[in-house]
Amino acid sequence: QVQLQESGPGLVKPSETLSLTCTVSGGSMSSHYWNWIRQPAGKGLEWIGRIYSSGTTNYSPSLKSRVTMSLDTSKKQFSLRLSSVTAADTAVYYCASSYSGYTFDPWGQGTLVTVSS
Amino acid sequence: DIQMTQSPSSLSASVGDRVTITCQASQDISYYLNWYQQKPGKAPKLLIYDASNLETGVPSRFSGSGSGTDFTFTISSLQPEDVATYYCQQYDNLFTFGPGTKVDIQ
Repeated sequence: QVQLQESGPGLVKPSETLSLTCTVSGGSMSSHYWNWIRQPAGKGLEWIGRIYSSGTTNYSPSLKSRVTMSLDTSKKQFSLRLSSVTAADTAVYYCASSYSGYTFDPWGQGTLVTVSS
Repeated sequence: DIQMTQSPSSLSASVGDRVTITCQASQDISYYLNWYQQKPGKAPKLLIYDASNLETGVPSRFSGSGSGTDFTFTISSLQPEDVATYYCQQYDNLFTFGPGTKVDIQ
């Protein structure tokens, strides 16, 4: 049973780059899509992007210019970088797995990132 | 971009009631729709995939139907542990979630 755990700074300054890592345990990273999804407090879910086990990426059009995802299969980790952050990027960030490519399951527990000076 | 709407935005019902949530897509998405349950402070959990297929281990009181632009999610007999926010999600063109429906017990 795959389990996911997000890690990274909980506070990022405006205009800087948000960096998060998701560590995968209990399963293989091959033949899976690895996703990042975020949720501002009290609001809905927004898909940020995904990286396939081959390294191929897809990003949300609204965030594409600021997002970079990468994969380190030797460490069983994948990462998110979001540049030029503003207060609007404050949210709980979730990583989620997808074997089918279109369902998100399972999810990590989420990590709160606050953008503030 | 495909936009998703849900109604109602919130509802309150009694234990044992039948609860129905609707989700509408801004364009035809065939059956490319999933439903998730999110309990307070927790990550979402997949309940229904491909509009009507129950994920393994999910109680049979949950069901989904629909195709094209209009979809329905039903809890046949509401239980206290079903208090949560429910989201639809399309995967016809990348991924978009609906705004959610918060379900409470009266």
